Amino acid sequence: AQRVTQPEKLLSVFKGAPVELKCNYSYSGSPELFWYVQYSRQRLQLLLRHISRESIKGFTADLNKGETSFHLKKPFAQEEDSAMYYCALVVNQGGKLIFGQGTELSVKP
Amino acid sequence: DGGITQSPKYLFRKEGQNVTLSCEQNLNHDAMYWYRQDPGQGLRLIYYSQIVNDFQKGDIAEGYSVSREKKESFPLTVTSAQKNPTAFYLCASGFLNTEAFFGQGTRLTVV
Repeated sequence: AQRVTQPEKLLSVFKGAPVELKCNYSYSGSPELFWYVQYSRQRLQLLLRHISRESIKGFTADLNKGETSFHLKKPFAQEEDSAMYYCALVVNQGGKLIFGQGTELSVKP
Repeated sequence: DGGITQSPKYLFRKEGQNVTLSCEQNLNHDAMYWYRQDPGQGLRLIYYSQIVNDFQKGDIAEGYSVSREKKESFPLTVTSAQKNPTAFYLCASGFLNTEAFFGQGTRLTVV
């Protein structure tokens, strides 16, 4: 079965500390993975997708097919990074988009 | 605005009543999705549609129904068969296998 797992409900770090939000997936096909972010009182929006291999707001994510992971990383967290982060997987055959449980990131001053 | 609109923002329903949540997009997207967001459970897929007049069940379709008569519209009906309907509902749209754009959500409360 297709599944996205984010093991941490809450991640709390101090400003300037490194951040890693974990995401593991289960899918037998070729995965298409995304990270979405939801800031307070704002819409859920795309942060980055693995195929573009870009860095957005200092965040990067690398697809590791061997470990079936797509962890989100940032070397130095900022207070404005505090938000809910969701990892998502597109099941290619059907265009079905599924999400993990989400991780709340709290960056303290 | 973002091109995808959900209405109403807040909705109250009496037990035993059906209620329909609206989702409209003007982005010419093929795919549309409905999710339910509950604390600690993330976004769970209710229904999705890739093309007009076709839709598929997601992981928690029981007690819900949808239609896709127009490309722009994907309304969700929460039926009386849904045992725990109080939740925040999110609609999204996108081109197939690409970024999804989300509405602002509808908070449904059963009273």
